[in-house]
Amino acid sequence: NAGVTQTPKFQVLKTGQSMTLQCAQDMNHNSMYWYRQDPGMGLRLIYYSASEGTTDKGEVPNGYNVSRLNKREFSLRLESAAPSQTSVYFCASSELGNSNEQFFGPGTRLTVL
Amino acid sequence: GENVEQHPSTLSVQEGDSAVIKCTYSDSASNYFPWYKQELGKRPQLIIDIRSNVGEKKDQRIAVTLNKTAKHFSLHITETQPEDSAVYFCAARGNDYKLSFGAGTTVTVRA
Repeated sequence: NAGVTQTPKFQVLKTGQSMTLQCAQDMNHNSMYWYRQDPGMGLRLIYYSASEGTTDKGEVPNGYNVSRLNKREFSLRLESAAPSQTSVYFCASSELGNSNEQFFGPGTRLTVL
Repeated sequence: GENVEQHPSTLSVQEGDSAVIKCTYSDSASNYFPWYKQELGKRPQLIIDIRSNVGEKKDQRIAVTLNKTAKHFSLHITETQPEDSAVYFCAARGNDYKLSFGAGTTVTVRA
C-alpha cells in the first residue's frame, strides 16, 4: 500500500497563476484533509472532507477550493496564487470517528513569486 | 474553535536526559489528543495518542499525560537519543473531525 500520495512534490508559481494539488489514498478512509505548514505556526487546516460528497472549511480556507473527486482523491486548487500562499501543503486521511489516526502524505512545497 | 498552545518552542537536551513538552487546549469538549513527530523534510507521523477517558499512556520511552480539569497534556521522552531530534506537534480534537495543532517544539538531542 502506498498510503497517502501527493503530486507534485515541488512547484514554483508566479503571482496570479492557478494550479491544483492532487492527493490520493489507498487505505479506504472516509475522511480527508488539506493542511498548510508555515514556520512557527504548526499545521493549519485549510479544508476537509468528512466523507465522500462533503467538504467543509477549516481554519484558513480563503484563496483555496477543494474537490472530493471520489473516496480516494481529494484535490486542492489555488485559483489565483499569491505570495502569502507560499508554504508546504500536506494532505491527510483517516477513518471516520473522533479517535482515529490521521495519516499524512509526503507534502508539496509551493513557492509563489 | 479549539486553540492549542505548545511550550517550549525549542528544547535542547543532553543525550540520555529526559524531555518534556507541554500543551494546553481551550475546548472542554476535546476528547482525543495525538502527538506527531516530524523529522526534517518528512511528513508528520503519529507517535502516541491519548483519549479523554485515560490519564496516562506509555509506549517504551515515550509517555503522555492528560489533565482534563486543567485542560493540559504533556509528552515525556526518557533516555533521549540522537534519533529523537525532530519537531514534535501536539493536537486536540473535539466532537468533529478536525484536529487543531500546536505550533510545534523543535527538540535537539546533544551527543
